[in-house]
Amino acid sequence: KAGVTQTPRYLIKTRGQQVTLSCSPISGHRSVSWYQQTPGQGLQFLFEYFSETQRNKGNFPGRFSGRQFSNSRSEMNVSTLELGDSALYLCASSQGTSGSGDTQYFGPGTRLTVL
Amino acid sequence: EDQVTQSPEALRLQEGESSSLNCSYTVSGLRGLFWYRQDPGKGPEFLFTLYSAGEEKEKERLKATLTKKESFLHITAPKPEDSATYLCAVQDNYGQNFVFGPGTRLSVLP
Repeated sequence: KAGVTQTPRYLIKTRGQQVTLSCSPISGHRSVSWYQQTPGQGLQFLFEYFSETQRNKGNFPGRFSGRQFSNSRSEMNVSTLELGDSALYLCASSQGTSGSGDTQYFGPGTRLTVL
Repeated sequence: EDQVTQSPEALRLQEGESSSLNCSYTVSGLRGLFWYRQDPGKGPEFLFTLYSAGEEKEKERLKATLTKKESFLHITAPKPEDSATYLCAVQDNYGQNFVFGPGTRLSVLP
């Protein structure tokens, strides 16, 4: 079974631009969660989508948004990029929603650098 | 609010020198505790899920245990390839997403 895939793997953007990251979950998984990982803050939860609906949202500004499609693929968008948005963005998929006890499996991440 | 701490922050071992990593948690009703291994620049790789106090799971040189307040990841006779950051996460009974600890950075020297 193929794992979680994320595209692109690397991105370089400048301040003020916007960016869209894509995630394809493991086949059969309906939940996709997004995380931001930085050396100082560790892994921080952004949001979770299940059956095209946002189920949970972390403590991030509205510049961070996402969506999920009917095939469970998900995208996250960051508008008006700031230097502090430079991070590894990770996507994780699971069969059930958060709180179900299902294991989350992570993709390789997208490394975003904002100049 | 769910909280997870991990200790030590970093650990250096000689090859073959066994040790344990600690994950302490505060959660309103534990649904599950998860251990992951992460190599630099890569996504976390799933290791174990533990659901109730007293539960233990093993995989090769790794063994995870769970009590009502903490979990341990025991590493027996580690090899250099076990060098990585080990992350612990909890999920509560109220539908909140995973809360991750800061990780323990393990280095195993040959």
